[in-house]
Amino acid sequence: GMPVEQNPPALSLYEGAESGLRCNFSTTMKGVQWFQQNHRGRLITLFYLAQGTKENGRLKSTFNSKERYSTLHIKDAQLEDSGTYFCAVNSGTYQRFGTGTKLQVVP
Amino acid sequence: EAAVTQSPRNKVAVTGGKVTLSCNQTNNHNNMYWYRQDTGHGLRLIHYSYGAGSTEKGDIPDGYKASRPSQENFSLILELATPSQTSVYFCASGGTGENTLYFGAGTRLSVL
Repeated sequence: GMPVEQNPPALSLYEGAESGLRCNFSTTMKGVQWFQQNHRGRLITLFYLAQGTKENGRLKSTFNSKERYSTLHIKDAQLEDSGTYFCAVNSGTYQRFGTGTKLQVVP
Repeated sequence: EAAVTQSPRNKVAVTGGKVTLSCNQTNNHNNMYWYRQDTGHGLRLIHYSYGAGSTEKGDIPDGYKASRPSQENFSLILELATPSQTSVYFCASGGTGENTLYFGAGTRLSVL
């Protein structure tokens, strides 16, 4: 199937820092969902976007279907933000996952 | 709160044996999905369903069957398990339209 690329593959941030994660896809998609997978392996939904931008606390996500990318921005990083972040793009039939960005927040 | 329950949570099987992974959702969602997660591959879709009686092939269906006997239940069946099917399996449900996915806790399967 068509690939969903996530960058960077891994990222280390100090507490209080901020950074952005990117999800690129090769065809037009109907939406994107962002997940955090925690240290226990649970997949936690962060956002679903069909267009535009959504914000929730320290997290902000954008979805640009025309340019074929989505971003997740984390500000004021906390230790509990550590984990692997996945985007899953919705083709209208089902959602296909990217390979993830492993985030480590350090004191 | 959406609820997707998988059983068993852990399973050890022998090569050539039959394995059934079960998933139950109380969200009244039409769509259900089975993914597997392996290091370096993220989550890959095995089978999905649009409703009771329906099963569809995902990206990696070989070696797996699926069954959707009711709105609530979706099973993944390995008729002849192989060591390459050792993985963590996730079930999810989703509504139509926006199709936000809700995941179960996962099943860790080891095939020896």
